[in-house]
Amino acid sequence: ETGVTQTPRHLVMGMTNKKSLKCEQHLGHNAMYWYKQSAKKPLELMFVYSLEERVENNSVPSRFSPECPNSSHLFLHLHTLQPEDSALYLCASSQDLQGWTETQYFGPGTRLLVL
Amino acid sequence: QKEVEQDPGPLSVPEGAIVSLNCTYSNSAFQYFMWYRQYSRKGPELLMYTYSSGNKEDGRFTAQVDKSSKYISLFIRDSQPSDSATYLCAMKGKTSYDKVIFGPGTSLSVIP
Repeated sequence: ETGVTQTPRHLVMGMTNKKSLKCEQHLGHNAMYWYKQSAKKPLELMFVYSLEERVENNSVPSRFSPECPNSSHLFLHLHTLQPEDSALYLCASSQDLQGWTETQYFGPGTRLLVL
Repeated sequence: QKEVEQDPGPLSVPEGAIVSLNCTYSNSAFQYFMWYRQYSRKGPELLMYTYSSGNKEDGRFTAQVDKSSKYISLFIRDSQPSDSATYLCAMKGKTSYDKVIFGPGTSLSVIP
């Protein structure tokens, strides 16, 4: 499999549930990103990892907890979410963080609905 | 004022039309300008990438940057139904600490 993959593609969860989103990149990249995409709003950068080290945490609520066990995998652990957290969660990767100009390759996203 | 503004559409055009997609921005420090295309149920993919002012052409696509007006455009010639997607503009400053800022996207439908 090539590119950036994300699972699950769709997720419905209650506010008391705990779930995890998974991202895997098969491109040999060193940087990985989590974005939130809500309808009619710009992509919001949530977290950035470079060589498994978190380099950016964009004031994201603690109910979102990222994990990067190696340069190919990125997780987003979810707990006690709110309905306003319903959105498309996109994972991306790039070769390096170098000046942030590195082309980012996006996965298909996980469509999350919080009830 | 939002950093990057983009008309959300939807924009509907007949096949073969010339499409103009636009973004305005407020931060004069932006130096790199990008256009992403996002098909339904897919993640964004980079279409074009330009630095500073000027034009860049790639097949049917032309990206134009006017830094004096803080305005960027993407033109699509001979539009095809396969061009139907949401187009996101994105931009950043030139330092290594600058983040990429995305516009909200314009939804385009090309009608056969």
